[in-house]
Amino acid sequence: AQKVTQAQTEISVVEKEDVTLDCVYETRDTTYYLFWYKQPPSGELVFLIRRNSFDEQNEISGRYSWNFQKSTSSFNFTITASQVVDSAVYFCALSEAEILNEKLTFGTGTRLTIIP
Amino acid sequence: DSGVTQTPKHLITATGQRVTLRCSPRSGDLSVYWYQQSLDQGLQFLIQYYNGEERAKGNILERFSAQQFPDLHSELNLSSLELGDSALYFCASSVGGVYGYTFGSGTRLTVV
Repeated sequence: AQKVTQAQTEISVVEKEDVTLDCVYETRDTTYYLFWYKQPPSGELVFLIRRNSFDEQNEISGRYSWNFQKSTSSFNFTITASQVVDSAVYFCALSEAEILNEKLTFGTGTRLTIIP
Repeated sequence: DSGVTQTPKHLITATGQRVTLRCSPRSGDLSVYWYQQSLDQGLQFLIQYYNGEERAKGNILERFSAQQFPDLHSELNLSSLELGDSALYFCASSVGGVYGYTFGSGTRLTVV
C-alpha cells in the first residue's frame, strides 16, 4: 500500500526566510509519480510539480525548489525568500500510476504561515 | 481557471437528503476522479471514471455513487446524507494519471 507522510503539521516563518516542507513516501512500485499541490485559503488545489521515480534531478522554479531522494524516499519542497502569498496548505501526493490504479494518495498537508 | 468546472460551489442541505455534484473535465481529458476533503480524513480518493467506465474505487460509501456521461462530464450522487458527509468535494481530470491531474475548485457541502 502506498503512503505519504508530512510530519510537519504547521510551520510559521517570517517573510523572506527560507522554508522546507518535508515529504516521505512509501510504495512497493518501482514506477511512481510524486506531486506537490498548494491549497490557498480560497480552497482550490493548485498543481506545483510532478516528478517520476526515474528522474532524481532536483528542480528549481523561481523561488521554489524540490529535492527528490529515492534513497530516503523523500521529496522535499523548499521556498526561498518566502512571501505572504505563500501562506497556504501544501500537500505532497503519490500516484503509482498503474492502469486501474491511478489514484493520488495525499499526505495530511503542512499549513505554512508567512508572517509579514 | 483550471479548466475543470464544478457546480455548485456551495451546497447546504439537511440530513437524510440527496444531492448531486457535477463536474465538467478539462477539454480532452478522458479521466475524472472524485476526492473528498474532510477535517478528520484529509483528502481521500473516492472513485475514478475513464471514458464513461468506472476504473478504480477508493473509500466511497455505498450511499455514494457516480457516473460519467458520453460528453465526459461526471456526477457524484450523495444520498441519505449524514452530518459527517460535510466536506469539500473535488473533481479532477486527466488524460492519464501519469501526466498529472487538474483539480476543480471544489464543492463545499454542508449537511445540517
